[in-house]
Amino acid sequence: DTGVSQDPRHKITKRGQNVTFRCDPISEHNRLYWYRQTLGQGPEFLTYFQNEAQLEKSRLLSDRFSAERPKGSFSTLEIQRTEQGDSAMYLCASSLAAGGEQFFGPGTRLTVL
Amino acid sequence: GESVGLHLPTLSVQEGDNSIINCAYSNSASDYFIWYKQESGKGPQFIIDIRSNMDKRQGQRVTVLLNKTVKHLSLQIAATQPGDSAVYFCAESHSGNTPLVFGKGTRLSVIA
Repeated sequence: DTGVSQDPRHKITKRGQNVTFRCDPISEHNRLYWYRQTLGQGPEFLTYFQNEAQLEKSRLLSDRFSAERPKGSFSTLEIQRTEQGDSAMYLCASSLAAGGEQFFGPGTRLTVL
Repeated sequence: GESVGLHLPTLSVQEGDNSIINCAYSNSASDYFIWYKQESGKGPQFIIDIRSNMDKRQGQRVTVLLNKTVKHLSLQIAATQPGDSAVYFCAESHSGNTPLVFGKGTRLSVIA
């Protein structure tokens, strides 16, 4: 257990529904990252926060995706109007500062039917 | 775009043997490299990292070698154990300040 928690661990939804995932980073960590991982592939960067500021978003992050970190602690990732191609493991990681080791959570596995 | 990749998708080794997992990177601006281990159903777990001002770094039973000339990274695991069975990813970043770029992974299977 790295100290990063994610909820839920699994989510099954129907195409077109909205889903929201939560990540609780290690408490003193300033940076929080979201990645997506499909079967047999390495994680792909989606977005990251420095405290409550969203500093970068990947081109992978379509306008159906939105992430927030309102108080600089936990973060949420919402996917609107889910598509089957959104099925993946969504991973959250946190680090103490820029350049610090990233600690990953267990991930949320999303299945879109 | 530039990305990090791996030479071999699978590797099988006998318990007690040494394992070598390779990785090629193409972004010459990358100067921070990390190896992660991922077990089934879990998130990636940090193993060891190395910065570009070094060419070798050792941890407990693991050694990372960096060859900047040919943009090659390797992870050596000594006396491989069944618990080492997992998928191993290399990742790269610029000064650790940019998000990690991961390769596709190598599955290590340890034969008892």
